[in-house]
Amino acid sequence: EVQLVQSGAEVKKPGESLKISCKGSGYSFTSYWIGWVRQMPGKGLEWMGIIYPGDSDTRYSPSFQGQVTISADKSISTAYLQWSSLKASDTAMYYCARHERVGRNQNWFDPWGQGTLVTVSS
Amino acid sequence: DIQMTQSPSSLSASVGDRVTITCRASQGISNSLAWYQQKPGKAPKLLLYAASRLESGVPSRFSGSGSGTDYTLTISSLQPEDFATYYCQQYYSTPQTFGQGTKVEIK
Repeated sequence: EVQLVQSGAEVKKPGESLKISCKGSGYSFTSYWIGWVRQMPGKGLEWMGIIYPGDSDTRYSPSFQGQVTISADKSISTAYLQWSSLKASDTAMYYCARHERVGRNQNWFDPWGQGTLVTVSS
Repeated sequence: DIQMTQSPSSLSASVGDRVTITCRASQGISNSLAWYQQKPGKAPKLLLYAASRLESGVPSRFSGSGSGTDYTLTISSLQPEDFATYYCQQYYSTPQTFGQGTKVEIK
């Protein structure tokens, strides 16, 4: 069974750093794009960026470029989303999701991780 | 970036109703469109891809159509479990983008 399991909820203060994870299993981790999607409280889905673990090719939305870093460690089949200095406005649910079709062509997300809730508050 | 505009942003409907949600892209996306359903507190669930292809296990009352810039999700006979928020997503080019969502509520 293909699964993405995300790390647990985080509560942080403004200015702190954070790295959340998404572990893939049941498939060839290096052969599928994995992306990150933000959902702020009560709001819609926002595509943040994607990474191809096979060669670490990474694409960002301009809205998130420079604000977060997406990475992957193919030795442990895990993708990451990290912040160097959190803001209150980073409070949101963050989902990882894998492209459904193998290879480098862009396609849709399936499956999704269960989500990681990040709360940033002083 | 390609902007995706969904309409309506919300609708009220009854069980058994036919429901249509529209998604318009700011430029042609060659049927590179997916639809997702999200229920409160849950991750989105893929319903359709390539504008009209039903994901395995998704009920046939869901269908998609469209071409160029304009796409439609139709629920032929709304069921109680269909009350949720629906999103379109273009994957024609990066950054991929989502529509703002359509909340389907019980009338």
